[in-house]
Formats: sequence, structure tokens, C-alpha cells
Amino acid sequence: DAGVTQSPTHLIKTRGQQVTLRCSPISGHKSVSWYQQVLGQGPQFIFQYYEKEERGRGNFPDRFSARQFPNYSSELNVNALLLGDSALYLCASSFSDMNTEAFFGQGTRLTVV
Amino acid sequence: KNEVEQSPQNLTAQEGEFITINCSYSVGISALHWLQQHPGGGIVSLFMLSSGKKKHGRLIATINIQEKHSSLHITASHPRDSAVYICAVRSYNTDKLIFGTGTRLQVFP
Repeated sequence: DAGVTQSPTHLIKTRGQQVTLRCSPISGHKSVSWYQQVLGQGPQFIFQYYEKEERGRGNFPDRFSARQFPNYSSELNVNALLLGDSALYLCASSFSDMNTEAFFGQGTRLTVV
Repeated sequence: KNEVEQSPQNLTAQEGEFITINCSYSVGISALHWLQQHPGGGIVSLFMLSSGKKKHGRLIATINIQEKHSSLHITASHPRDSAVYICAVRSYNTDKLIFGTGTRLQVFP
């Protein structure tokens, strides 16, 4: 069985550009969450989606948006990139939206120059 | 003060040593996760627990709900155990995961 897959694995963007990161959950999982991990820190919650609806949003600006598709895959979009957006972006999938084990992808390392 | 605190931040050990990593939290939780992150970023879930103790191979995780404290133990440590170990709690109020900053473990042969 494939685990959580994220693409791309690495990405370099220029300040002001826009980026789209993709996540495919484990088959059968309906919940996808996105996290930002800045170097040396623990991951910070950005969004959770369940059954294509937003179920939670962390303390991130409106430049960050996400959506979930009918096949439960998800995209995270970041507009007007800042240097401080450079981080590892992690996607986690779980079967439901409530207190179930989360399985993480390998992450997308975004560098903004 | 972070809602999830881990100690130590960095840990070095000789192969074969018994290792303990601690996690304290200040919020009400429905579950606590121990995660392993290798260089390159991918995170692997080791344990999810809400009470008592769980064991998987050389890894043991315990939690004391009253004291809001959990420990991850590694017996007979091996260089391949070298990684960052992250404690994360699922907030009872928000149902969202709150992460600690991690403990970087290096095991030398």
C-alpha cells in the first residue's frame, strides 16, 4: 500500500511568486492536514480538511489556502511568497477527522529566495 | 511557554545504551503521539496513546495523564535510531495536533 505521497519533494521559488503543493492520502483516508515546519522547530498546524470541507485553520495569513478534491487528495497554495515561508511542508492523512492516528508524508521542502 | 515541552533537546548515546526522552504538556488532550523524523524530513508515527504504556520492539512509550507527562524509551539503542523524536498532543478542545520542538538523538557505534 502506498503511504502519504507529496509532490514536489523540493522547490525553489522567488519572493512574490505563488506555489502549489500536492498531497495524496493513504487509500481510504478522508482527512488531510497540512503543517509547516521551520528549521529547528516542531511542525505548526496550517489546515485540516475532511470530506472536502475545511475543519480547522491554524494561525496563518490569508496568503495560505487549501482545498480537498473528491478523491481526498489535497493542495496547499501559498501566494505572494515571503522569505519566511521557507520551510518543510508536511501533509498528514487520517481515516477520520477525530482523534485517529495520523500518517505523514515525506514533505515538500520549499526554499524562497 | 510552549504547550508541549520536550527534554532533552539533544542527546548522544553509545550503542547499546538505554535512552529516555521526556514530554510534558499543559493542555487537555485526547491522545499523545510519538513521532520519528529522519534527515530529509519524513515523519513516521511510532505510537499513539491515551493511557498506560505501549511497546513495539525496542521502543516503549508511557503516559501519565494526571501528571501530563509522557516518556519514550529506547532499549539497546543502535546507530539507526539516530533521528529527531517529536512528541505531539491532540488538543481535547480543538482536536488539532500540537507539536513539541523535538529531541535530536545521535547514537554512536
